[in-house]
Amino acid sequence: QLQLQESGPGLVKPSGTLSLTCTVSGGSVSSSTYYWDWIRQPPGKGLEWIGNIYYSGSTYYNPSLKRRLTISIDTSKNQFSLKLSSVTAADTAIYYCARQSSSFRPFDYWGQGTLVTVSS
Amino acid sequence: QSALTQPASVSGSPGQSITISCTGTSSDVGSYNLVSWYQQHPGKAPKFMIFEVNKRPSGVSNRFSGSKSGNTASLTISGLQAEDEADYYCCSYAGSRTSHWVFGGGTKLTVL
Repeated sequence: QLQLQESGPGLVKPSGTLSLTCTVSGGSVSSSTYYWDWIRQPPGKGLEWIGNIYYSGSTYYNPSLKRRLTISIDTSKNQFSLKLSSVTAADTAIYYCARQSSSFRPFDYWGQGTLVTVSS
Repeated sequence: QSALTQPASVSGSPGQSITISCTGTSSDVGSYNLVSWYQQHPGKAPKFMIFEVNKRPSGVSNRFSGSKSGNTASLTISGLQAEDEADYYCCSYAGSRTSHWVFGGGTKLTVL
């Protein structure tokens, strides 16, 4: 059974960089079939797609975050990561990693999510 | 402000049917048959219930169905059960030149 698990600091200072890693078990990020996504949810609010990465390293970003965003993949560790720079309180959210079985398929597996708070 | 518009809340009694609407534009819902619906219980990750407008993944009850007309997609839940009480989010592909995937603001379903 595929499992995804987010990890990283739960508190980031304003203007700092938010860094999260998603560790995949029960499957491989090296598979040519899948896309690996980041999605976030501000407390009490709706979902926002952040971006995704393919095993080859090709990335697709939400234009509203593109200037601050880097998504990378480490096939040796079976992980993919998110870095969001120049964060503000508006970036406070639960961050989920998820999988798509192709670029046009739904997000079929999700991590449990991790809350990141931006505060001094 | 979410890209897709959903009602904030809907309610129904056990056994009844409810429908949740999801209104987008001709650039997302209206252009692609790539609408999906997600169920989220409190404190849990979303679970996909419908994809490609009206397809159900294995394991999802046939009480859940989806449809689309123009720029509006809909999720219908028939034979409401207590465990259906949750938040529901629609999602649509919006094209590779935009934000790719857009979500609705979510609808809280209350089973009375």
